[in-house]
Amino acid sequence: DIVMTQSPDSLAVSLGERASINCKSSQSILYGSNNMNYLAWYQQKPGQPPKLLIYWAFTRESGVPDRFSGSGSGTDFTLTISSLQTEDVAVYYCQQYYSSPLTFGGGTKVEIK
Amino acid sequence: QLRLQESGPGLVKPSKTLSLTCSVSGGSILSNGYYWGWVRQPPGKGLEWIGNIYYFGSTNYNPSLKSRVSISVDALKKVFSLNLTSVTAADTAVYYCTKSRRDGSLDSWGPGTLVIASS
Repeated sequence: DIVMTQSPDSLAVSLGERASINCKSSQSILYGSNNMNYLAWYQQKPGQPPKLLIYWAFTRESGVPDRFSGSGSGTDFTLTISSLQTEDVAVYYCQQYYSSPLTFGGGTKVEIK
Repeated sequence: QLRLQESGPGLVKPSKTLSLTCSVSGGSILSNGYYWGWVRQPPGKGLEWIGNIYYFGSTNYNPSLKSRVSISVDALKKVFSLNLTSVTAADTAVYYCTKSRRDGSLDSWGPGTLVIASS
């Protein structure tokens, strides 16, 4: 199985400031034949199911604000919230879909400082 | 807009079988390229992928659960189902049904249903 490791476990950021979450896979999830990274990011608010934010490592899902961006390739990835808003308080998960079983990172809790 | 809704018992006795159904509305369960699956989340913990099924019946399961899990689909009724046998307290979790695109990202989720394995 591909192990996904997120850091930090939690972070507190002031409103309007940048928040960055890291995700590392135990092996490359870059598929050579199409040069795509098989990585998604999800946002989960309390009492709600996860919501897809980003797929292919950097493609925003329809309706997701452009303050959310994804970057990285191979084994190292980052989710950045450029200007944190109160509605962004949540737990964020990365997930690889390069190979079965699909696996998730342990989650990063984002709070307001 | 596609909607998913889980249903089933909220309490299952240890050693028994957990059975859940996911109803699909607002779209076709026969859509080419979509996978229908299940993810679970123990209280206060992270996400674990259970498995998925393609509309014509091919399945993929997490090896950690493979000996106990089965997923099936009934296209006419627009539902897919999860069976997990020989449950223990470790199977207590919120169970989500999901739809994934062919790429594997999970773009639709049900609201989730809490299943407690306890006598």
